[in-house]
Amino acid sequence: QQPVQSPQAVILREGEDAVINCSSSKALYSVHWYRQKHGEAPVFLMILLKGGEQKGHEKISASFNEKKQQSSLYLTASQLSYSGTYFCGTLAPGGTSYGKLTFGQGTILTVHP
Amino acid sequence: DVKVTQSSRYLVKRTGEKVFLECVQDMDHENMFWYRQDPGLGLRLIYFSYDVKMKEKGDIPEGYSVSREKKERFSLILESASTNQTSMYLCASSPPGGREAFFGQGTRLTVV
Repeated sequence: QQPVQSPQAVILREGEDAVINCSSSKALYSVHWYRQKHGEAPVFLMILLKGGEQKGHEKISASFNEKKQQSSLYLTASQLSYSGTYFCGTLAPGGTSYGKLTFGQGTILTVHP
Repeated sequence: DVKVTQSSRYLVKRTGEKVFLECVQDMDHENMFWYRQDPGLGLRLIYFSYDVKMKEKGDIPEGYSVSREKKERFSLILESASTNQTSMYLCASSPPGGREAFFGQGTRLTVV
């Protein structure tokens, strides 16, 4: 079953902040975040492992609460280059060797000047 | 620069045709994947492979098959293309251990 992302879409002005949430009904080993710009391949942003560790990538950070099976992606002081579709991918325990990710439906982020 | 290369960016096929989508990676990754991307549905796993000649069904395998004869190459086969298989197809590869996946540019397939 696919994880559920919210919101489905968000529109920002440059400099504003946003949060994208990812929620799973299954136990998770890790959560991946990817960004896909229009017409391009999805690109890896970060992995969150069990333990609630918060990771960062430029002004983008994320958290993972394995008890709630939820992850959130935080985009701070957004830039035009942040526009794209963001996907969370979840990895179940026992599936780590194969790297079999189950992706959410995506969140479309649009940043305007 | 690491790469996952899909043989075609755009394909137009007729209903009933047998269609081959090819994917090659140059990172010596064990794991390879085929996803289908549709608006509002995200990326859905069709098949994956964790070794040469080894394959496992994903979440939506019906109407598809795969082949992995060499480590670097993973092919998706539509045995008899149908209009509901019109979609964007993405190939990905990753090393073992659930680490970062690398995606190809995608093949936009239209079945008419």
